[in-house]
Amino acid sequence: EPEVTQTPSHQVTQMGQEVILRCVPISNHLYFYWYRQILGQKVEFLVSFYNNEISEKSEIFDDQFSVERPDGSNFTLKIRSTKLEDSAMYFCASSRRTGMVAEAFFGQGTRLTVV
Amino acid sequence: AQKITQTQPGMFVQEKEAVTLDCTYDTSDPSYGLFWYKQPSSGEMIFLIYQGSYDQQNATEGRYSLNFQKARKSANLVISASQLGDSAMYFCAMRESKAAGNKLTFGGGTRVLVKP
Repeated sequence: EPEVTQTPSHQVTQMGQEVILRCVPISNHLYFYWYRQILGQKVEFLVSFYNNEISEKSEIFDDQFSVERPDGSNFTLKIRSTKLEDSAMYFCASSRRTGMVAEAFFGQGTRLTVV
Repeated sequence: AQKITQTQPGMFVQEKEAVTLDCTYDTSDPSYGLFWYKQPSSGEMIFLIYQGSYDQQNATEGRYSLNFQKARKSANLVISASQLGDSAMYFCAMRESKAAGNKLTFGGGTRVLVKP
């Protein structure tokens, strides 16, 4: 069964360092998302991406964040200068279609720890 | 105001019994979708079931069913015949048609522990 794949599963980085989280969405999916979950808190929307551009972003997704689909299969989230409060589980998701019924399929997450 | 509220932070259920997980939502959008996801201890988010605001019937998927009460703005998940593998966090989420980018808004989750 096709699935969304995220790498690495866990990343530890020094505060101020750049980090890139990688995702391979399901191959025939067109809509891509990043969500994050700070430990013990709810899952929060970061950004959605369609047709090689951001279609929506939350207030969390400031200038320190960027997304890219560099090669038609990978979908990356870059944090330019990490802060302690960026420590969280980051989920990539994809969906085949848009609209109300478009269920998003999530990857297994990347746990980012900023020290 | 919270868009999605899950009032039960945690609950125990006996194996083979049914359990109901509460979810209430707040929206002025007449068109919206409600989703339930399961998050086991391994961390991944697994889609379980979907209910559209205009759906006439309650959604069912195997042992999962959704008790959708539109006037009360509630979309409770019912898991029948609980299994040990059902132990996980469960999140209710909503997508509003007016929300750009297909984004989902999640509740705080309910942790379910199935006892043998």
